[in-house]
Amino acid sequence: AQSVSQHNHHVILSEAASLELGCNYSYGGTVNLFWYVQYPGQHLQLLLKYFSGDPLVKGIKGFEAEFIKSKFSFNLRKPSVQWSDTAEYFCAVNAGAGNNRKLIWGLGTSLAVNP
Amino acid sequence: EAGVTQFPSHSVIEKGQTVTLRCDPISGHDNLYWYRRVMGKEIKFLLHFVKESKQDESGMPNNRFLAERTGGTYSTLKVQPAELEDSGVYFCASSQYQGRYDEQFFGPGTRLTVL
Repeated sequence: AQSVSQHNHHVILSEAASLELGCNYSYGGTVNLFWYVQYPGQHLQLLLKYFSGDPLVKGIKGFEAEFIKSKFSFNLRKPSVQWSDTAEYFCAVNAGAGNNRKLIWGLGTSLAVNP
Repeated sequence: EAGVTQFPSHSVIEKGQTVTLRCDPISGHDNLYWYRRVMGKEIKFLLHFVKESKQDESGMPNNRFLAERTGGTYSTLKVQPAELEDSGVYFCASSQYQGRYDEQFFGPGTRLTVL
C-alpha cells in the first residue's frame, strides 16, 4: 500500500539552528513529491515540489529538499530557522502517471522555533 | 485571483444531524479534491472530481458521505447522519490540469465537531 512516513512528529529548535525533517515514501512507480506547510491559523500552502530533473529542489523561505530515489526519501532542510518557521510541515506524494493526483500524506511534523 | 474558499470555517453539530460543507475552487480549475484530517491522524484523501464527474471516490468512508459538484463549479460534501468519528478538519483543494505537473491549491478547511 502507498504510504508516507515522517520520522519526527514534534521538533523544537532555537533560532538559527539547522533543520532537517525526514520523509520516506512507499510507492510503486513514478512519483511526484511535495512538502506543504501550515502556519498557525493559515491554510496549507506548498513549500516545494519535485516532479523530475534535479533531485535538489529549492522552495520558498529558504527551504530545500533532496529526492534520493534509492532511499525513497525526500527530506526537507533549512540551514537556519527563524521564529516565523513555527508551523506544521507535511510531506506528501502522488502518482507521476495517470489522471488521478490524489495526495498520500505523512502524519505531519510540528515545528516550534524558540526566539 | 481568489483562492480556494470553504464554508463554514467551523461547524458543531450533534450526532445524528446533517451537515453540508461547501468548497469553491479557483476559477477555471477542473480538478477538485476533498481530504480529511482526523485529530492525531494523517490527512486522507476522500474523493476527486474532474469537472462535474467523480474521478475517484475510493476514500469516502461510507455511504453517509455524499459529494456533489453540479455544473463543475463549487462542490458540497454532505454528511448524513453525522457520527462522532466524523469529527475532523475537511480540506478542499483544486488544480487546473490532469497532467503530471499538476499542483493542488488548498482552502482553509472546515473544522467539523460532532458531539
